[in-house]
Amino acid sequence: KAGVTQTPRYLIKTRGQQVTLSCSPISGHRSVSWYQQTPGQGLQFLFEYFSETQRNKGNFPGRFSGRQFSNSRSEMNVSTLELGDSALYLCASSRQSPSGEQYFGPGTRLTVT
Amino acid sequence: GNSVTQMEGPVTLSEEAFLTINCTYTATGYPSLFWYVQYPGEGLQLLLKATKADDKGSNKGFEATYRKETTSFHLEKGSVQVSDSAVYFCALRGSNAGGTSYGKLTFGQGTILTVHP
Repeated sequence: KAGVTQTPRYLIKTRGQQVTLSCSPISGHRSVSWYQQTPGQGLQFLFEYFSETQRNKGNFPGRFSGRQFSNSRSEMNVSTLELGDSALYLCASSRQSPSGEQYFGPGTRLTVT
Repeated sequence: GNSVTQMEGPVTLSEEAFLTINCTYTATGYPSLFWYVQYPGEGLQLLLKATKADDKGSNKGFEATYRKETTSFHLEKGSVQVSDSAVYFCALRGSNAGGTSYGKLTFGQGTILTVHP
């Protein structure tokens, strides 16, 4: 069974630009969550989607947005990039189950210059 | 809100030494608890989990027991190997009494483990 895939793996953008990251969940998983990982703040939750609906949102500015498609694939978008947005962005998928374990992709490394 | 506190690292051990990484949590409801491991340049891999009090999660020689009375989920391994060198994250996922699981994972700050031959 294929794992969670994320594209692209690496990105370099300039301040003020916008970026779109993509995530394909494990087949059969309908929940997709996004996390930001930085050395200073650690792993922080961005948002979760289930059946094309945002179910939960972390404490990030409105520049961070996302969506989920009918095939459960998800994208996140960051507009007006800032230097502080440089991070590893991780996507995780899970089944709708009480135990709720999430399976992570390899991440997209975003560098903002 | 929910929070997870891990012992400060980094932790440096010799091969075959005993490992403990402490993890305590604060949560309402009935959280599920997890340990994830991250190798350099990779995403997070689920190492083990426990979904209710007194459950013991285990995998690849690692163990952790869900202790509700002490709100802890310490990770242990009896004999570490060089290949265990990685960053370890304790995490919780909130849940209500009906078992509905909320999507947000709350992570500890991570503990860097280095094992020398």
